[in-house]
Amino acid sequence: DAKTTQPPSMDCAEGRAANLPCNHSTISGNEYVYWYRQIHSQGPQYIIHGLKNNETNEMASLIITEDRKSSTLILPHATLRDTAVYYCIVRLKTSYDKVIFGPGTSLSVIP
Amino acid sequence: GAVVSQHPSWVICKSGTSVKIECRSLDFQATTMFWYRQFPKQSLMLMATSNEGSKATYEQGVEKDKFLINHASLTLSTLTVTSAHPEDSSFYICSARITTGSSYNEQFFGPGTRLTVL
Repeated sequence: DAKTTQPPSMDCAEGRAANLPCNHSTISGNEYVYWYRQIHSQGPQYIIHGLKNNETNEMASLIITEDRKSSTLILPHATLRDTAVYYCIVRLKTSYDKVIFGPGTSLSVIP
Repeated sequence: GAVVSQHPSWVICKSGTSVKIECRSLDFQATTMFWYRQFPKQSLMLMATSNEGSKATYEQGVEKDKFLINHASLTLSTLTVTSAHPEDSSFYICSARITTGSSYNEQFFGPGTRLTVL
């Protein structure tokens, strides 16, 4: 079942903030929002995750709406190396849950 | 920390031969590893869950006799594509679940193995 909806593609100018949206209207109370990215011909790379509060790390910021039905991943100063497919995933943090990928958003950072 | 490696990074084989791909957790023990497959311009598709010391659990539609999984130790899982055919050509990615510390139950992904069957 598709738990998240993302735009298939986005462009962003180099140096600008890239804001990638994700809808997860059926998220349950104990499910986390995870973001991964996959640069061409590489394995997925973990970016960030959150439950309710906004989160920030050295790579990105995650803004989760108060009702938790959507979120936005923010890359504050996009570089050409940020060109990748970005996956928003909703999952439990339990021993039996698996990371299931949807189509993701293909982000192109343009010089 | 939490590094997952795969070997080989790419392999070319003849149709009908078998190919083994290794997935290793380098700095942690993983009782559970996962195998994914990715065709060009598509997303990753989960194939199976590999459990140390027991049989793998396959996702619906994945042939267990064709994709043999062995998780013989806490740091190594192998995927063998038996009697490979051109339609098995794909990018195979593994991940390992960490079960200790601050990254409890997180999955870390390997760099992938590109299989081309001629």
